Amino acid sequence: TQLLEQSPQFLSIQEGENLTVYCNSSSVFSSLQWYRQEPGEGPVLLVTVVTGGEVKKLKRLTFQFGDARKDSSLHITAAQPGDTGLYLCAGDWKYGNEKLTFGTGTRLTIIP
Amino acid sequence: GAVVSQHPSWVICKSGTSVKIECRSLDFQATTMFWYRQFPKQSLMLMATSNEGSKATYEQGVEKDKFLINHASLTLSTLTVTSAHPEDSSFYICSARRSSGRSGGYTFGSGTRLTVV
Repeated sequence: TQLLEQSPQFLSIQEGENLTVYCNSSSVFSSLQWYRQEPGEGPVLLVTVVTGGEVKKLKRLTFQFGDARKDSSLHITAAQPGDTGLYLCAGDWKYGNEKLTFGTGTRLTIIP
Repeated sequence: GAVVSQHPSWVICKSGTSVKIECRSLDFQATTMFWYRQFPKQSLMLMATSNEGSKATYEQGVEKDKFLINHASLTLSTLTVTSAHPEDSSFYICSARRSSGRSGGYTFGSGTRLTVV
């Protein structure tokens, strides 16, 4: 089993602050995706990173894939209440049979 | 964009009965579909990988006789929870991959909340 550990597990910060969520593994991934999930709904894809060292930006969200393709980070600048949700990283294991393994999740709450 | 429809969105059933959940890719063909379950405040755990026209591949610890998966066409996969018990209560989510190989993106359904009473 290819484990993806996310940290922190829970995060509650004030509106306007910055934050970083980490996704770590001992396995190498062909690609890594970040999702956000609202209660009672399926996860929604935010970004896919494929190349080691790759950085992608989505408005106030910055995603980075580690050079060795074993880890990733999500940085949110000037967090807003609408950013509240469950953030999940998910990896497609390089030597696996093409299935997506989800991280442990980070529950983010932005306080107005 | 690719859309995956999952039905029902919620279901309540009596202990001992069976429940079927459908997952449809509406505007694309999905050779592979995935079934996940999610307990409250936890992440998604992969239950099985379903390939059209062949038997599903179950993850370790998932009872294949209890969670029956059928992927009879390129646009439909079903998960049947047989002889459901309260411990089967969970949020079940399907996902469809748009094409073979890792270049194919994953699209998720909106989930099914199963409550067994």
